[in-house]
Amino acid sequence: NAGVTQTPKFRVLKTGQSMTLLCAQDMNHEYMYWYRQDPGMGLRLIHYSVGEGTTAKGEVPDGYNVSRLKKQNFLLGLESAAPSQTSVYFCASREGGIKETQYFGPGTRLLVL
Amino acid sequence: QKEVEQDPGPLSVPEGAIVSLNCTYSNSAFQYFMWYRQYSRKGPELLMYTYSSGNKEDGRFTAQVDKSSKYISLFIRDSQPSDSATYLCAMSGGGGGNKLTFGTGTQLKVEL
Repeated sequence: NAGVTQTPKFRVLKTGQSMTLLCAQDMNHEYMYWYRQDPGMGLRLIHYSVGEGTTAKGEVPDGYNVSRLKKQNFLLGLESAAPSQTSVYFCASREGGIKETQYFGPGTRLLVL
Repeated sequence: QKEVEQDPGPLSVPEGAIVSLNCTYSNSAFQYFMWYRQYSRKGPELLMYTYSSGNKEDGRFTAQVDKSSKYISLFIRDSQPSDSATYLCAMSGGGGGNKLTFGTGTQLKVEL
């Protein structure tokens, strides 16, 4: 039982390049979330999903897209990376129902030059 | 003004001290309260979970929620160097994807 895993762990992009971050969970959780964490800003929600095939915008969705084609995977895409997207990205999942607890992955460090 | 306010620290204490970490919030709809611990270069891990007002104890950790004051606390007794981490408070009102609103985190260092 690996919990929540994220791929890659670290990536360097040039401005304008695109990439996809992959999140996978093996806990059969319904809900999945993408956050970014920046110094002094805390964790901010980018997009989330309440089930397979669904996505919704969070607090800071601009410049990102997501897809949840399979229940266990949640992909975060950057179509045209900008230096302002330099951050640490965390994925989380939650069982659903009355279970409020979110379980986090180890994070992806992204540097956009 | 942020919905959740948390002193960023850093907070430095000697080993064995009692640590008090706090958050204030403005949204009266919040009813689920959590504390996460985050070690350097790691993902947050859940430490304590409380629903509504009251206290909850788990080993050396005690979480308190005072909804009337919109104030939550985490107490760590007999602090250890291994408690050195950033502590994030998080809260939710339930519904609508149950999104969590996080504080910015307090950095704690427990010195030998």
